[in-house]
Amino acid sequence: AQSVSQHNHHVILSEAASLELGCNYSYGGTVNLFWYVQYPGQHLQLLLKYFSGDPLVKGIKGFEAEFIKSKFSFNLRKPSVQWSDTAEYFCAVNAANTGFQKLVFGTGTRLLVSP
Amino acid sequence: DAGVIQSPRHEVTEMGQEVTLRCKPISGHNSLFWYRQTMMRGLELLIYFNNNVPIDDSGMPEDRFSAKMPNASFSTLKIQPSEPRDSAVYFCASSPGTRQSDTQYFGPGTRLTVL
Repeated sequence: AQSVSQHNHHVILSEAASLELGCNYSYGGTVNLFWYVQYPGQHLQLLLKYFSGDPLVKGIKGFEAEFIKSKFSFNLRKPSVQWSDTAEYFCAVNAANTGFQKLVFGTGTRLLVSP
Repeated sequence: DAGVIQSPRHEVTEMGQEVTLRCKPISGHNSLFWYRQTMMRGLELLIYFNNNVPIDDSGMPEDRFSAKMPNASFSTLKIQPSEPRDSAVYFCASSPGTRQSDTQYFGPGTRLTVL
């Protein structure tokens, strides 16, 4: 069974600081990887996803993530955060080529950006 | 363009009562998912449907939980009888196809409190 670890539960940054949120998964086969964001009072929405091709994936709002297969990692990055990036970020994985769409989520990282 | 619609948004009930949560997926989407989010367990999949057929219900906690999808535009998640430990936010999501790489679009959630 797959599992996802997000080691940073809370992150506090000042505006313009760089961001990197860690995500590691455990699964020996091929995976699809996702980052979702939940802004205060809103529903989860997709930031970006990886399912094949270039391991460096660019998403909305200036976010990107890099899939490093050898490290079982899919870290999320943004070079300069804004106050509006305050939200909770979830990494998720599903096992590719199994036919199952089940997403397994990490426990989330709460990001607070101070102005 | 309407997203996933869930009702009610908030539900407060007493232990032992029946609770029914409702979901309308995005029109044209073929897959529907029910998730539960708690502080202790995070976001976990309960059940999902492809073309109105249940595919994976391994996340349904026990027989008190049941889910139906009578047609492509409506699904229910029922808890009978409800217990305080069922208190959580329940999300419905839909995706356009049945591929594992398809994005899942989440609704706003139903916050359930069982007293």
